[in-house]
Amino acid sequence: QKEVEQDPGPLSVPEGAIVSLNCTYSNSAFQYFMWYRQYSRKGPELLMYTYSSGNKEDGRFTAQVDKSSKYISLFIRDSQPSDSATYLCAMLAGTASKLTFGTGTRLQVTL
Amino acid sequence: ETGVTQSPTHLIKTRGQQVTLRCSSQSGHNTVSWYQQALGQGPQFIFQYYREEENGRGNFPPRFSGLQFPNYSSELNVNALELDDSALYLCASSAPGVTSTDTQYFGPGTRLTVL
Repeated sequence: QKEVEQDPGPLSVPEGAIVSLNCTYSNSAFQYFMWYRQYSRKGPELLMYTYSSGNKEDGRFTAQVDKSSKYISLFIRDSQPSDSATYLCAMLAGTASKLTFGTGTRLQVTL
Repeated sequence: ETGVTQSPTHLIKTRGQQVTLRCSSQSGHNTVSWYQQALGQGPQFIFQYYREEENGRGNFPPRFSGLQFPNYSSELNVNALELDDSALYLCASSAPGVTSTDTQYFGPGTRLTVL
């Protein structure tokens, strides 16, 4: 079993839709949770960073962490064609140096 | 403030050859991490360098090695290339202990193709 599970998609939604992206994890040592966006053939770009359980909002993006269920989510409101990309969840244990990534979910926002 | 840069952008090698990839960290960042991303997969941690010392290593064989220089730039060396080494190699820089988080910022990557 992988430490971080993420549905690879692809996920196709119409412009303006609310998108929900999710990851589950098995390692209780994970304390920091991140979402990265990666366009084709580019490096990952940090979108959201959270530490504790609860919600964090930044513009159209909301990150949600539920440590008791080992489940994190990223919500995108009013999705745009420019949001079409692969979304990677990543996690960090407090004393570790490495990020552990999910497989990534490919999102396509259509006109 | 300049971001993370990597060179070269693309590289084609043959099996058995050796390759060196380079990374310049973001201004003010003293830590560099290297990741390998196979097609359709998430990045896999190779190793991290902090102040010129290796600070954690993933499940990669010894033919993957690295260096960090006094200016915090870094190199990834891969010897005896295998076909499965074909991937996007990503460098990320961070400043643990300097900034409030250990957030890692990624460069654009080097795409390595092994024939």
